[in-house]
Amino acid sequence: GAGVSQSPSNKVTEKGKDVELRCDPISGHTALYWYRQSLGQGLEFLIYFQGNSAPDKSGLPSDRFSAERTGGSVSTLTIQRTQQEDSAVYLCASRWDYGSPLHFGNGTRLTVT
Amino acid sequence: DAKTTQPNSMESNEEEPVHLPCNHSTISGTDYIHWYRQLPSQGPEYVIHGLTSNVNNRMASLAIAEDRKSSTLILHRATLRDAAVYYCILRDWAGKSTFGDGTTLTVKP
Repeated sequence: GAGVSQSPSNKVTEKGKDVELRCDPISGHTALYWYRQSLGQGLEFLIYFQGNSAPDKSGLPSDRFSAERTGGSVSTLTIQRTQQEDSAVYLCASRWDYGSPLHFGNGTRLTVT
Repeated sequence: DAKTTQPNSMESNEEEPVHLPCNHSTISGTDYIHWYRQLPSQGPEYVIHGLTSNVNNRMASLAIAEDRKSSTLILHRATLRDAAVYYCILRDWAGKSTFGDGTTLTVKP
């Protein structure tokens, strides 16, 4: 079946512009995660949605970052007033239940010029 | 958040077994141990997970220490396609999964 889909796959934006990154999780998956991966680095946790519970936003690096998950499905990560240090690959993952593994998308490569 | 510690890099010869270690001394009783791997330009891929007992699947085996403070991912016969970054992570009671920097595995022909 279809996996986790992220769009766009690549995004180039000018410093100061806002960007929206989209994640379509696997249908029926109850949890959705956003991670950021800078070049040559590991994954940095950003935010986690579980069902209808309040999201865990503890990893968002600043108030320029926000995310929402509409209808328990699609999620959008928004970065306002982008900075060059925001350049990275943004990865989305979803899972079925607490014990099940994460399924990752291939990410959105964001470049801020 | 409970953290994991892995060696930065390891090397293996093709068709030999590989043992990738992970330390998680602050693990709590409800934390699951998950392993993922990431090939270049791709998102991480699930490998295996466990709680207390050793686990086997078609990709690998997971050996968990009796005190659960460490675990080892075992690739029984490394192939060139197994060259990747391997991440050992803990899934906490709330479902949060925090990744470290992982181990870069190089497989030599």
